[in-house]
Amino acid sequence: AQKVTQAQTEISVVEKEDVTLDCVYETRDTTYYLFWYKQPPSGELVFLIRRNSFDEQNEISGRYSWNFQKSTSSFNFTITASQVVDSAVYFCALSEAFSTNAGKSTFGDGTTLTVKP
Amino acid sequence: DAEITQSPRHKITETGRQVTLACHQTWNHNNMFWYRQDLGHGLRLIHYSYGVQDTNKGEVSDGYSVSRSNTEDLPLTLESAASSQTSVYFCASSEDRSQPQHFGDGTRLSIL
Repeated sequence: AQKVTQAQTEISVVEKEDVTLDCVYETRDTTYYLFWYKQPPSGELVFLIRRNSFDEQNEISGRYSWNFQKSTSSFNFTITASQVVDSAVYFCALSEAFSTNAGKSTFGDGTTLTVKP
Repeated sequence: DAEITQSPRHKITETGRQVTLACHQTWNHNNMFWYRQDLGHGLRLIHYSYGVQDTNKGEVSDGYSVSRSNTEDLPLTLESAASSQTSVYFCASSEDRSQPQHFGDGTRLSIL
């Protein structure tokens, strides 16, 4: 069965600090997809990034970076020089390609990030 | 631009009533999903559909039903609303299992 664990329920940092959000997943599929979504205080869910299981390249997009390590089943998200606008709930999600669960995503419980000015 | 819309955005109703939440997407996606979001539980899958006439139960499907008569719509029905179903409901769609889900803005449902 697929499972996503975001062990950090809440994180609070001061603006300009770097912060890493952890995501650990479990799956038996050899092909799967990982996602990060952001839910700001306004409530909408916004897709941030997608990674497939056969591409372990790290990704950087501005202040955001993602570290995917199959050896530790982790897909961690780092925000560099955090800003108040980064305050949100962040969800990690997993979608399997071939199992009976294929086609639907399992979401972690989310990490609430608060960035204080 | 393609979009996914939910209606109503807010609803208050009484226990025992039947409630239907609408979800309409113009992405032409085959996959559609309904989630509920409660504090401390993240997003929990209620029902999902991989195409017209296809519906499947998610992890918290008791008390809910869906139907898929066309590609664009997946209405969620609470047959007899209960206070435990007070929640924020999100509809989502995706092109296929490898692609991210596009979410509606959510429906805040209060059952008194």
